[in-house]
Amino acid sequence: DIQMTQSPSSLSASVGDRVTITCRASQPISKKLNWYQQRPGKAPKLLIYGASSLQSGVPSRFSGSGSGTEFTLSISSLQPEDFATYYCQQSYITPSSFGQGTKLEIK
Amino acid sequence: EVQLVESGGGVVNPGGSLRLSCEASGFTFDDYGMHWVRQAPGKGLEWVAVVFGNGASKHYVDSVKGRFTISRDNGRHSLYLQMNSLRIEDTAVYFCAKDTLWNLNAMDVWGQGTTVIVSS
Repeated sequence: DIQMTQSPSSLSASVGDRVTITCRASQPISKKLNWYQQRPGKAPKLLIYGASSLQSGVPSRFSGSGSGTEFTLSISSLQPEDFATYYCQQSYITPSSFGQGTKLEIK
Repeated sequence: EVQLVESGGGVVNPGGSLRLSCEASGFTFDDYGMHWVRQAPGKGLEWVAVVFGNGASKHYVDSVKGRFTISRDNGRHSLYLQMNSLRIEDTAVYFCAKDTLWNLNAMDVWGQGTTVIVSS
């Protein structure tokens, strides 16, 4: 099974900052990597699919990159509503799997 | 409006059974794979199972194989998760989610979740 590892597990930042979250796969997954945002008590929301494609309706300050085993999610200018937990997910092969999450907190 | 609504959660004893349902609306149900994803209290997301659009192909995380069965009724636009031999560690919020493709890609629509508590 493919293991997904995110770093950091938590991150403190300020409104307007640029932040980057990394996700590593235990084996190559091409570009079959998705990113989700989850606010407390809510369902996850798809942000990025196929490593770098922005889901419809998601602000352009979100971007994704990478292929193979290393991927990044970047937020160019943090807004108050971006403080949440972010998860990567591999869809290369079943069983699919998520990273452990990165909690983005206000500094 | 594209929508998924889960139901069927509750409190059950260890070893018991529960059947979750997810009713879909606003899209052509049988064109898309459908997933169950769970989240234990205070923990991260765990992918549980997927059934592809035709219903013939089903895949599970190892921890539920042989105990959980995912199924779909395309005529009723509904997804199900039959959970048997429940364990304490199955306690979680269970989300159903729609895939962007007929098989395995990304999950673009999610339900609000239904809570399963396994406790004696």
